[in-house]
Amino acid sequence: DAKTTQPPSMDCAEGRAANLPCNHSTISGNEYVYWYRQIHSQGPQYIIHGLKNNETNEMASLIITEDRKSSTLILPHATLRDTAVYYCIVRVVGNEKLTFGTGTRLTIIP
Amino acid sequence: GAVVSQHPSRVICKSGTSVKIECRSLDFQATTMFWYRQFPKQSLMLMATSNEGSKATYEQGVEKDKFLINHASLTLSTLTVTSAHPEDSSFYICSALPLTGGNEKLFFGSGTQLSVL
Repeated sequence: DAKTTQPPSMDCAEGRAANLPCNHSTISGNEYVYWYRQIHSQGPQYIIHGLKNNETNEMASLIITEDRKSSTLILPHATLRDTAVYYCIVRVVGNEKLTFGTGTRLTIIP
Repeated sequence: GAVVSQHPSRVICKSGTSVKIECRSLDFQATTMFWYRQFPKQSLMLMATSNEGSKATYEQGVEKDKFLINHASLTLSTLTVTSAHPEDSSFYICSALPLTGGNEKLFFGSGTQLSVL
């Protein structure tokens, strides 16, 4: 799986949009971009994934650049419960495993 | 969404004893389950891949005789930490890949905090 680069930490004010960047410049054509988050002392939670089109679900939006070398996860209205470590992972569907990097520790400020 | 149940959530044991951790997919079948380990303030590290009905595949540096994995059914995988020592104290997390759905998402259990005294 390709390596991803994320800022180690970010802060965001409660109620504002949280924009989490991820660089994956060596991504292959058949690799998807996945986002998971881990709240302290819990297992990772799936957020969203996409191949090349932008995606949106009830939790977040995923914006992938046209060259697919980077992406941004957007939490539209951050709440205190969104404080967590967010992991950006690239993975070939069918390759099965997820390889975690160091992620971004997002802190939502009241 | 799919639910993966992991038990126990927390266990304390004496050095030299064995501990078994269960991982169950509650509302789906999974031919493949994964076991991860996470030390404080570090990321998740894959330990092994567990396939139903066959031997697990271990990542480099993970002792297969120490971390016994059994995946006897499509909904249950177990990890047994044998002869546990304090350095085995860690957060262990399982994940399951649904049999159907195009292998797109992995779902994770809530983790087991193991403390070896």
